[in-house]
Amino acid sequence: SQTIHQWPATLVQPVGSPLSLECTVEGTSNPNLYWYRQAAGRGLQLLFYSVGIGQISSEVPQNLSASRPQDRQFILSSKKLLLSDSGFYLCAWRGTGEHYGYTFGSGTRLTVV
Amino acid sequence: SQKIEQNSEALNIQEGKTATLTCNYTNYSPAYLQWYRQDPGRGPVFLLLIRENEKEKRKERLKVTFDTTLKQSLFHITASQPADSATYLCASRGGGSYIPTFGRGTSLIVHP
Repeated sequence: SQTIHQWPATLVQPVGSPLSLECTVEGTSNPNLYWYRQAAGRGLQLLFYSVGIGQISSEVPQNLSASRPQDRQFILSSKKLLLSDSGFYLCAWRGTGEHYGYTFGSGTRLTVV
Repeated sequence: SQKIEQNSEALNIQEGKTATLTCNYTNYSPAYLQWYRQDPGRGPVFLLLIRENEKEKRKERLKVTFDTTLKQSLFHITASQPADSATYLCASRGGGSYIPTFGRGTSLIVHP
C-alpha cells in the first residue's frame, strides 16, 4: 500500500535560520507531489508541486523553495526563515485510479520565533 | 480562478442526527469535487469523490451530492456520532488543471 512520511512533526526555529522539511512516499512510482501550508483558521495554500524528478512548479512567490532529488522524495527549504513562515506544512501526493484522492502526510507544525 | 466556499461557522448537532455541510464553487464547473476530514494537528484524510456527471455518491454513513445548476455540493453524515467531530474540507479540480482548490473547511461538532 502507498504511504507518505513527513518529518519532523514539530519545529521551532529562530528568524533567519534555514529550514529543511522532508517528505517521502512509498508504494508508488512517479507520483505527483505537493507542498501545502495551512495557517491557523485558513485554508490549504498550495506552495509547490512536482510531476517528476527535478520538476518544480511554484504557485506563490515567497521565501521558500522546493526540490525533488529522487522520484519519491520532496523537500521544502528556506535559507532564512521569516516570522510569516510559521504554519502547518503538509506534503501530499495524488493517487491514480478511480478515486483520484490526495493523500496527505501527518504535517509539520513550524513556529518561527 | 476557481473559489471554493464553505461555511466558516461551526455546525453543532446532536448525536444521531444527520449533519449536512455545504460547499459552493464559483466560475467553471469542476470535473469533480472531493471531501476530506481533518482532525486537529493532522493532515486531511480523503473521504469521497463525486464527478460532474454524478448526482449522488454514498459510502457507509456518508452521502455527497453534486448540483451543477446551484454550483453546490452537499455532504451528509447520517446517524452522526461524537467521533465524527472534525473539520471537513471540500476541494475541486477541473478546467484542465492538476491543481485542486481547497475550501477553508467547516467544523462539525457532534454533541452526545
